[in-house]
Amino acid sequence: GNSVTQMEGPVTLSEEAFLTINCTYTATGYPSLFWYVQYPGEGLQLLLKATKADDKGSNKGFEATYRKETTSFHLEKGSVQVSDSAVYFCALNRDDKIIFGKGTRLHILP
Amino acid sequence: DGGITQSPKYLFRKEGQNVTLSCEQNLNHDAMYWYRQDPGQGLRLIYYSQIVNDFQKGDIAEGYSVSREKKESFPLTVTSAQKNPTAFYLCASSWGGYNEQFFGPGTRLTVL
Repeated sequence: GNSVTQMEGPVTLSEEAFLTINCTYTATGYPSLFWYVQYPGEGLQLLLKATKADDKGSNKGFEATYRKETTSFHLEKGSVQVSDSAVYFCALNRDDKIIFGKGTRLHILP
Repeated sequence: DGGITQSPKYLFRKEGQNVTLSCEQNLNHDAMYWYRQDPGQGLRLIYYSQIVNDFQKGDIAEGYSVSREKKESFPLTVTSAQKNPTAFYLCASSWGGYNEQFFGPGTRLTVL
């Protein structure tokens, strides 16, 4: 079946550190892939997306590349800020539904 | 401004009472969704609707009901049959297909 697996948190980094949150997926065909971010007490916001193999999604300094050969969509940022502290969800879209990973909580220390 | 609204933000109910959560969108999206989120957990799909007057059960539909009488609105009723209703409820909408979903701000339901 279709599924998304992302690294468990919490992930704690110092400000200006490099961030990687791993995400791998299992799906038939060619799903669209997403990263969503959730700040405390709020709904999810779309952070970036990629719709086909080798596409790179980017937004607010975050990037992720759709790697079909490794079925991965890892989230990266070169220099994190305290304001990036949130929960990050990797997701894929199949059959008009979105399948979410369990989320990774990120803490950035000043 | 286009978007999704959910009301109220916080809701308290006594055990055994039904409660209805509101979700409205003005994005002209065809598809709408309801999710439940428990502390430290991911999102679980309750119900979804791809077109007016039609909806399908998600992974955890027991104890919930929905209606889709208008394109803009997709209310969720949490019934007394739901054994553990205290949770954060998120509504989303989409153009469907392989498009992303847009989320509302959520309603936190607490059953006392």
